[in-house]
Amino acid sequence: GAGVSQSPSNKVTEKGKDVELRCDPISGHTALYWYRQSLGQGLEFLIYFQGNSAPDKSGLPSDRFSAERTGGSVSTLTIQRTQQEDSAVYLCASSLGIAGGLVQFFGPGTRLTVL
Amino acid sequence: AQSVTQPDIHITVSEGASLELRCNYSYGATPYLFWYVQSPGQGLQLLLKYFSGDTLVQGIKGFEAEFKRSQSSFNLRKPSVHWSDAAEYFCAVGGPSGGGSQGNLIFGKGTKLSVKP
Repeated sequence: GAGVSQSPSNKVTEKGKDVELRCDPISGHTALYWYRQSLGQGLEFLIYFQGNSAPDKSGLPSDRFSAERTGGSVSTLTIQRTQQEDSAVYLCASSLGIAGGLVQFFGPGTRLTVL
Repeated sequence: AQSVTQPDIHITVSEGASLELRCNYSYGATPYLFWYVQSPGQGLQLLLKYFSGDTLVQGIKGFEAEFKRSQSSFNLRKPSVHWSDAAEYFCAVGGPSGGGSQGNLIFGKGTKLSVKP
């Protein structure tokens, strides 16, 4: 596609439920990133994938968070047993690689609300 | 520690007035610097970036930014603000082999810009 797409755009769930957020990166981009944007906060890095390498999970806040990337393209971020503090906008970005300076292109985000 | 500070949470300027948004960074190596803009309900759009060379960089929508190594700053400027510039602006830093980890960028908390008619 022309840009990074994410689905759903909005997700409301109940505390304790699992949610899956999807990201379709720009075709040909080998690097894919997930960030979290909480109210009044900047973007918090969660995880990134580069090609077939093991993902860098250093930003995941707890073991309730996981992500996978199938076929080097689409990625799914899963949050298990959601908590109210997980409410945020989850942004996905992709780039041609992870070399410094390569521009990251962002999707519109998924707004997650945990009741 | 690597970090980005945007000291102003919210700025209001009149349409047609000049604008400067501040950004200071802490980074152990040569930084790559970015400014992104986020309009309500939208993702982040890149305004401009600095990698090397001329310290004054031009971006889209009439924005420019100046890299000052001695001050660890990368302030964003625009000579005349338009109502459509109302949005949130984020400064970010990365490095030759990526940002805080390897590939990710480190973002400031953003500055919300309001424009008065």
